[in-house]
Amino acid sequence: ELKVEQNPLFLSMQEGKNYTIYCNYSTTSDRLYWYRQDPGKSLESLFVLLSNGAVKQEGRLMASLDTKARLSTLHITAAVHDLSATYFCAPWGLETSGSRLTFGEGTQLTVNP
Amino acid sequence: DTEVTQTPKHLVMGMTNKKSLKCEQHMGHRAMYWYKQKAKKPPELMFVYSYEKLSINESVPSRFSPECPNSSLLNLHLHALQPEDSALYLCASSQGHPQGRQPQHFGDGTRLSIL
Repeated sequence: ELKVEQNPLFLSMQEGKNYTIYCNYSTTSDRLYWYRQDPGKSLESLFVLLSNGAVKQEGRLMASLDTKARLSTLHITAAVHDLSATYFCAPWGLETSGSRLTFGEGTQLTVNP
Repeated sequence: DTEVTQTPKHLVMGMTNKKSLKCEQHMGHRAMYWYKQKAKKPPELMFVYSYEKLSINESVPSRFSPECPNSSLLNLHLHALQPEDSALYLCASSQGHPQGRQPQHFGDGTRLSIL
């Protein structure tokens, strides 16, 4: 069974600072997704990482995937208030009943002025 | 606005009621999903349809009954639900399923409350 661990689960940071969210997973997967969820809203796809060493950047967010270490990171550069949300990583893995996304617990990010 | 449309947005029902949740997408996607999300928790997969056939049922109780009438529509029929079934129910779609190389697009969800 694929297990996904995100840390930190809660992150409070000041505007302008940098920080990294980590996503570790337990079994082999070469495909991983990052999603954002605002309170009371749906999930928005941020990044699709499909191979070892993949790096994607969009604005102040950059995601990477190291399949050998079973680790993905989401790096935040010069945070702004609009980035406040919950971020989920979700590797794609094969389970007994079939292939699917398995979501981490989520990192609740609050960016303070 | 999302390209996956879910109705209703909110639903309150008693434990003896029967109701249905609906999901529609017009992106030509051939895989559709139901997830359940409790407050402050990640989404949990319930069902996957691939090319209109049920391919994954995550041991969901029979009081939840999915239906995929065509490639654009996905329903979730509800009957005799329990208070612990109160949650946000999310529908998602993707171009294909088994390979997992395309992102899933999520609807806004139906917030379900069981009295």
